[in-house]
Amino acid sequence: AQSVTQPDIHITVSEGASLELRCNYSYGATPYLFWYVQSPGQGLQLLLKYFSGDTLVQGIKGFEAEFKRSQSSFNLRKPSVHWSDAAEYFCAVGRYGGSQGNLIFGKGTKLSVKP
Amino acid sequence: DAGVIQSPRHEVTEMGQEVTLRCKPISGHNSLFWYRQTMMRGLELLIYFNNNVPIDDSGMPEDRFSAKMPNASFSTLKIQPSEPRDSAVYFCAIQFQGRVTGELFFGEGSRLTVL
Repeated sequence: AQSVTQPDIHITVSEGASLELRCNYSYGATPYLFWYVQSPGQGLQLLLKYFSGDTLVQGIKGFEAEFKRSQSSFNLRKPSVHWSDAAEYFCAVGRYGGSQGNLIFGKGTKLSVKP
Repeated sequence: DAGVIQSPRHEVTEMGQEVTLRCKPISGHNSLFWYRQTMMRGLELLIYFNNNVPIDDSGMPEDRFSAKMPNASFSTLKIQPSEPRDSAVYFCAIQFQGRVTGELFFGEGSRLTVL
């Protein structure tokens, strides 16, 4: 069965420090992979996506993610975190056999940023 | 996101009462999704529609849940009768025609508390 695992429930980093959020997926074919961000009291917003091609994808707000098939991973990175990046981050995989907008989400990683 | 308006934003009700959540998406979408978010289970897809037709309702927990989409600009999710375990944030999301598949636009959610 398809699944997404985000091993870290909560991460705290200092403002200006680098960030890496981990995501591992289970999928039988080439996956469609996504990272979404959710600010408190808000809906989710797409940060970036991977379908095929270059395994390093760029997104909005200075985020990037790298698809590593051998590790079944799609980790999210940012070189320098800003206080406004404090939010919850969700990794998602496209669900096989359904609408391509039909996604399976991980449980999320909450990011706190220290001044 | 102004593209998806959900109401009510917050609702508190008593067990056994009927609850109706509403979603008004802007035009141009071809798919509409209802997700439920809880601390324990994360984001779960309840049902989705393509061109106003329900495609997959396998995520609807029980017969107490029903969803309709009478036209492209309106959808409802109804719970009758409600139970405390239905307490969650319910999100409506859309996918636009011609946009990247899997790129969902979420409303701000309806937070439901069943006492």
